Amino acid sequence: NAGVTQTPKFQVLKTGQSMTLQCAQDMNHEYMSWYRQDPGMGLRLIHYSVGAGITDQGEVPNGYNVSRSTTEDFPLRLLSAAPSQTSVYFCASSSQGQGEEAFFGQGTRLTVV
Amino acid sequence: RKEVEQDPGPFNVPEGATVAFNCTYSNSASQSFFWYRQDCRKEPKLLMSVYSSGNEDGRFTAQLNRASQYISLLIRDSKLSDSATYLCAVNRGSTLGRLYFGRGTQLTVWP
Repeated sequence: NAGVTQTPKFQVLKTGQSMTLQCAQDMNHEYMSWYRQDPGMGLRLIHYSVGAGITDQGEVPNGYNVSRSTTEDFPLRLLSAAPSQTSVYFCASSSQGQGEEAFFGQGTRLTVV
Repeated sequence: RKEVEQDPGPFNVPEGATVAFNCTYSNSASQSFFWYRQDCRKEPKLLMSVYSSGNEDGRFTAQLNRASQYISLLIRDSKLSDSATYLCAVNRGSTLGRLYFGRGTQLTVWP
């Protein structure tokens, strides 16, 4: 049972580099989202998508891009990494029915130096 | 005002104790409510959904108070393995699937 798969698990970037965090789900969920989690800040929504071809901004979208070309995949792109983007990133997916829980990937620990 | 607010704790309790967490939400149109558990350096996982009538799963009881706009989680007979961070989550309903999370409450159960 794969569920939500995130890669990579760990990444170190230099300031100014770009990279893509991958997220894939095999549950045919319409809704997918990216969060970042920092100490004392809880989970903050970066971007989300309610279906293929549809994305929208969350609370903290600056510095990140997303696209949703298929139902299964929802990659997160860091355009020009900054130390402030050092964080743990979680991808999540859920069905859009009321009361449906969100399933999370295992997370990506990103350090920008 | 934040969408969802939780007391971050930490709560430090001995084994066997009963502990309760509350979580308040600001939007009265919120429709779905959840408690998640997050172990250190792991992803959040659903602990239980919270229904209008309340629900119980073993030592865990979750309740919803719509009038006062809060949800609660009660853990009875605490075990060492209950040590974790507990996150409440609320779905407003305007965008089905979008969850608003509290910052989490840290629980440590000591022997």
